[in-house]
Amino acid sequence: KAGVTQTPRYLIKTRGQQVTLSCSPISGHRSVSWYQQTPGQGLQFLFEYFSETQRNKGNFPGRFSGRQFSNSRSEMNVSTLELGDSALYLCASSSLRGREIEQYFGPGTRLTVT
Amino acid sequence: DQQVKQNSPSLSVQEGRISILNCDYTNSMFDYFLWYKKYPAEGPTFLISISSIKDKNEDGRFTVFLNKSAKHLSLHIVPSQPGDSAVYFCAAVGGGANSKLTFGKGITLSVRP
Repeated sequence: KAGVTQTPRYLIKTRGQQVTLSCSPISGHRSVSWYQQTPGQGLQFLFEYFSETQRNKGNFPGRFSGRQFSNSRSEMNVSTLELGDSALYLCASSSLRGREIEQYFGPGTRLTVT
Repeated sequence: DQQVKQNSPSLSVQEGRISILNCDYTNSMFDYFLWYKKYPAEGPTFLISISSIKDKNEDGRFTVFLNKSAKHLSLHIVPSQPGDSAVYFCAAVGGGANSKLTFGKGITLSVRP
């Protein structure tokens, strides 16, 4: 079955702008999580959506927001972009089977803020 | 406060030998652990996982060991191959219906031919 897809793959924005990233999970997966990867901080959890509801949230400012649609597709929005928002944004699609978690990542969106 | 620690930033091994990648955690609520491999400009690829009710899980060349009392896990790759050269991330999940992964900062593995 198809993997996790993210669009766009690359994006260049200027400070102060806003951006929307999209993620389509693996068919049948209802949970979508977003992570930010930067060289100094590794992968950091942004938020998780399950059945259109935010279930978990990381320690990021309110400029970072997301939503999930009824078909489980998710979008992430960053408003008032700052230079430090330049990063690889990864979406992960998950399913839970008892105590076991299957979580698969998309290829990421490389955001550059100038 | 880093809850998942990969203290060695890099590891270099000879092809055919064993690679041992270590990971420590501090949060006793973590009950499921995963290892991911990542190439540049790609998303992490799931390798292997282990539940806290087990102390070992094996999949082909990859074996993960969990020592709950020491809050330590390790990934063994035997035999190591040049294609294994990548960044390896350890990740942990807390209890309950929760897909939030807490990642370590990764270890860069280089396998020399």
